[in-house]
Amino acid sequence: KAGVTQTPRYLIKTRGQQVTLSCSPISGHRSVSWYQQTPGQGLQFLFEYFSETQRNKGNFPGRFSGRQFSNSRSEMNVSTLELGDSALYLCASSLASGTGGFKNIQYFGAGTRLSVL
Amino acid sequence: SQKIEQNSEALNIQEGKTATLTCNYTNYSPAYLQWYRQDPGRGPVFLLLIRENEKEKRKERLKVTFDTTLKQSLFHITASQPADSATYLCALVRGSGNTGKLIFGQGTTLQVKP
Repeated sequence: KAGVTQTPRYLIKTRGQQVTLSCSPISGHRSVSWYQQTPGQGLQFLFEYFSETQRNKGNFPGRFSGRQFSNSRSEMNVSTLELGDSALYLCASSLASGTGGFKNIQYFGAGTRLSVL
Repeated sequence: SQKIEQNSEALNIQEGKTATLTCNYTNYSPAYLQWYRQDPGRGPVFLLLIRENEKEKRKERLKVTFDTTLKQSLFHITASQPADSATYLCALVRGSGNTGKLIFGQGTTLQVKP
């Protein structure tokens, strides 16, 4: 079974631009979560989608948004990029969301490394 | 709000020794804890899950304990090898039901020297 696929792997943008990242979950997984990882803040939860609905949202500004399609694929968008948005963006899929125990185990993609200049 | 704390300082040990990593949390005890391994430039990989009613869980050279009184989980790697060098993250669910979300500790970097 194929793992979680994230595209692109690397991205360089300038301040003020917007960016869209893509994530294809493991077949059969309906939950997709997005995380931002930086050396100083660690792994920070952005949001989670389950069956095309946003189930959870972290403490990030409205510039960060996402969506999920009927085939469970998900996209994340960041508008008006700032230097501080430079990070590794990780997508993870799981069978279920919330307190599902083993069903909530996160299967991560390799991430998209975003550099904002 | 629920917080997770892992030792931010890197742990350096000699090959063959046992590595012990700590994960402390505040407030209520979660129903379960998860441990992940992350190598540089890659996404975390799930290792073990332990439930609140399980004191200990083992998988090959890995052992996880869960002490709800101390609000702490310990992660042990016995007979450590240089290939075990990585960052290890613990995670728990904050919230309940379908609105619960998984939050991660900062991770502890382990360096196993030959």
